[in-house]
Amino acid sequence: GENVEQHPSTLSVQEGDSAVIKCTYSDSASNYFPWYKQELGKGPQLIIDIRSNVGEKKDQRIAVTLNKTAKHFSLHITETQPEDSAVYFCAASKGAGSYQLTFGKGTKLSVIP
Amino acid sequence: DAGITQSPRHKVTETGTPVTLRCHQTENHRYMYWYRQDPGHGLRLIHYSYGVKDTDKGEVSDGYSVSRSKTEDFLLTLESATSSQTSVYFCAISEEGKNIQYFGAGTRLSVL
Repeated sequence: GENVEQHPSTLSVQEGDSAVIKCTYSDSASNYFPWYKQELGKGPQLIIDIRSNVGEKKDQRIAVTLNKTAKHFSLHITETQPEDSAVYFCAASKGAGSYQLTFGKGTKLSVIP
Repeated sequence: DAGITQSPRHKVTETGTPVTLRCHQTENHRYMYWYRQDPGHGLRLIHYSYGVKDTDKGEVSDGYSVSRSKTEDFLLTLESATSSQTSVYFCAISEEGKNIQYFGAGTRLSVL
């Protein structure tokens, strides 16, 4: 089955700096890659996603890049703010017919004011 | 939380007792999922449903059963709870033809 590795497990940055979280996946058939943000005591919330026919996607301060050849994808957060502090999860899916997501183990991001 | 209600939100039970967690959605989505979240393991799929009375196993299904008698409700049952099933359980839903999954707020279960 699919295996998703996520690094780093913890990340501390100064407010205003950028944060990068990286994930690798094992199944070349995976074609959908979402990123979730989980705040303390809440369920994960989708913040951005990318499909395998796209190399990069941006939404304001958040961007995701995908390298299908190397089977890795990354989350980039620019101009970090204290409210970005949370646990972030990457995931991979084969898409239609299954919709099952395999998650990475998460990255705890701390933004220091 | 995208019209998803999980109940109870917290539960403490004893080893060997049966436990049922409920997920209720108001979105009329076809797909529903149960995950467990443990430190160092991220989210792992227990079971999922692709329609009324249609369910399948996920990565960590041993010790769990599910039922879906109505589109809006997906039940997760621990027939005889064990301490290893102490975890936070999340329900998720997704629409037909779309990968995006929306999560509920979670149920924190402690098995003593």
